[in-house]
Amino acid sequence: NAGVTQTPKFRVLKTGQSMTLLCAQDMNHEYMYWYRQDPGMGLRLIHYSVGEGTTAKGEVPDGYNVSRLKKQNFLLGLESAAPSQTSVYFCASRKSSWRLYNEQFFGPGTRLTVL
Amino acid sequence: TQLLEQSPQFLSIQEGENLTVYCNSSSVFSSLQWYRQEPGEGPVLLVTVVTGGEVKKLKRLTFQFGDARKDSSLHITAAQPGDTGLYLCADGSHNAGNMLTFGGGTRLMVKP
Repeated sequence: NAGVTQTPKFRVLKTGQSMTLLCAQDMNHEYMYWYRQDPGMGLRLIHYSVGEGTTAKGEVPDGYNVSRLKKQNFLLGLESAAPSQTSVYFCASRKSSWRLYNEQFFGPGTRLTVL
Repeated sequence: TQLLEQSPQFLSIQEGENLTVYCNSSSVFSSLQWYRQEPGEGPVLLVTVVTGGEVKKLKRLTFQFGDARKDSSLHITAAQPGDTGLYLCADGSHNAGNMLTFGGGTRLMVKP
């Protein structure tokens, strides 16, 4: 099992360019999440999905869009990149369960720089 | 909005020393998870605590959950260079997405 994978690992964009980050998981998890990590701020939730075809906003959704067309994939899009979106982006997944404290499994991250 | 504060933000120690890092919440935790993140990688779950007063041990790591479920601590005995990383606490939430709220983290460096 590869777990959670993210592509690309690194990317440099110019202001105004668009791009899509891909997250894939092979654990048959229902829930998937996109976070951004900035120095001293831990991880902040951008968007999440509780199942195929459903998405919802997290804490910092502005400037991002997501899609979950297949259960194993969760895409994060930046339509018009801004320097404030320079960050490290993490995808995570977890099982759907009555146990609220199920573990989230994280990908290795994508380091994005917007010039 | 719940706020999780972790302290200290940075800690640099020598191999063999003991240390404690803290996580405090502005409200009662639903459940409390500790993650460790090594450079260039995603966070990995270390432990989940749920019951007030709970103590869990993971080799040289001891996790305590406050009686009132508003604070937690992580104690490392005889730290090793392999313990270097970012330690994050996170609270699970009672909502449809079962989202986690993370603290800002404690960045630990253990020098040989």
